[in-house]
This record gives sequence, C-alpha cells and structure tokens, in this order.
Amino acid sequence: DGGITQSPKYLFRKEGQNVTLSCEQNLNHDAMYWYRQDPGQGLRLIYYSQIVNDFQKGDIAEGYSVSREKKESFPLTVTSAQKNPTAFYLCASSVRTGGIPDTQYFGPGTRLTVL
Amino acid sequence: AQSVSQHNHHVILSEAASLELGCNYSYGGTVNLFWYVQYPGQHLQLLLKYFSGDPLVKGIKGFEAEFIKSKFSFNLRKPSVQWSDTAEYFCAVKRSGAGSYQLTFGKGTKLSVIP
Repeated sequence: DGGITQSPKYLFRKEGQNVTLSCEQNLNHDAMYWYRQDPGQGLRLIYYSQIVNDFQKGDIAEGYSVSREKKESFPLTVTSAQKNPTAFYLCASSVRTGGIPDTQYFGPGTRLTVL
Repeated sequence: AQSVSQHNHHVILSEAASLELGCNYSYGGTVNLFWYVQYPGQHLQLLLKYFSGDPLVKGIKGFEAEFIKSKFSFNLRKPSVQWSDTAEYFCAVKRSGAGSYQLTFGKGTKLSVIP
C-alpha cells in the first residue's frame, strides 16, 4: 500500500531529552513537511523540504531540527530547546509538477508527551 | 503573510440539517484553497480543493465549496449532514505557483452531528 507512515503513534519523553519522530513515504513525492497541531490552534508548519538534502524553516522552527538524506524519509528531532514540545505532530508530502508543489497528503501523526 | 479565519469553533447540528462552514483568507494574490477533514481517531484527509476554473468545487461524501474571490472566502457546504460527518474541519490556503510550499491552516471547526 502507498502512503505515509509515522512512528510511533504515542511517544513519551522526560523533559530535557531530545526525541526524534519518524516519517516515511512510499508515494515517490519530492516534497515533505512537518506540522504541529495543538487543540484550537490548527496546524502550524515547522519545516519543509523540497528535495533531498534541502529543507527550509516554517513558522515555528525554533527548538526543532530535520534532515532529508533520502527521498522517502524526513525525520524530525524535537530538542530540549523547544519550550512546549507536548503536541500532535503531523508529517505530510506532496508531488511537485513543473516545480510547483501540489496537494499535501498527511500521515497518521505522532502524539508526543513530555513529562 | 497569509492568514485563514474559520468563523465557528464548534457547530452542533441534527442529522439531515444543512451545513455551511465559513472560511476567509487574507492574501491578495492567486491562491490554492483546500478543505481537510479529521475524523475522530483518524488522520487528516483531503475533502476538496480549488486551484482554478469553476469556483464551485465538489468533493468527497457530498461536500462542496464555493470560492468567492471578491470576498476572499471558500465556504464549505453540505445539504444534509449525517452522524458520520462528525469530525473537525480545516480550511487551508497556499499561494499558487512555483516555490509556494507553505500551507496556512485555519484553527478548525468541530462539527458534532446529533442522531
């Protein structure tokens, strides 16, 4: 089946620890994205990547880092510098047609709780 | 920077009632518009999208949306809701064209349909 997988579904960490969230897609999409969803806040863009070995900051990149070493994978690290890391994290991907990003499709999400 | 406003935080309807969810955006240029839905316990799914052409867009499960450029609006409608439509609905906007990766979301509207 084609799609976007995120693991784990639930993640618990102690305050001060870095944690890495996994996102894999087998849709052959060029672009990938990380969003954070908080109750009543909608989704906010953390980072996005147009192609392998390239990524740009979104609206709320502080305290987060990413890498894009493979087309299929776009892991997100939540560092200890992120002040409010407890949230629902969504990964998405999209094709690019003629350099223009198309519709974004989303994974099932990872709920991170920092204790 | 673009922004998206969804007017209703929580809408409660009885089955068979008609639905209209408001969405307004602030951006003067050409945009791509989306409605996504998040059913309880499920991942974010695309309901419908507008890129160009007929401003009345039909999506899945009987939903439709109308793009009114002069009002910067993209309201979602359904003539008769079902209990299974209970979900959270998100409007999103993206500048059209190459290099426009940022998808800006509204804060969401929770729809509760009473049997």
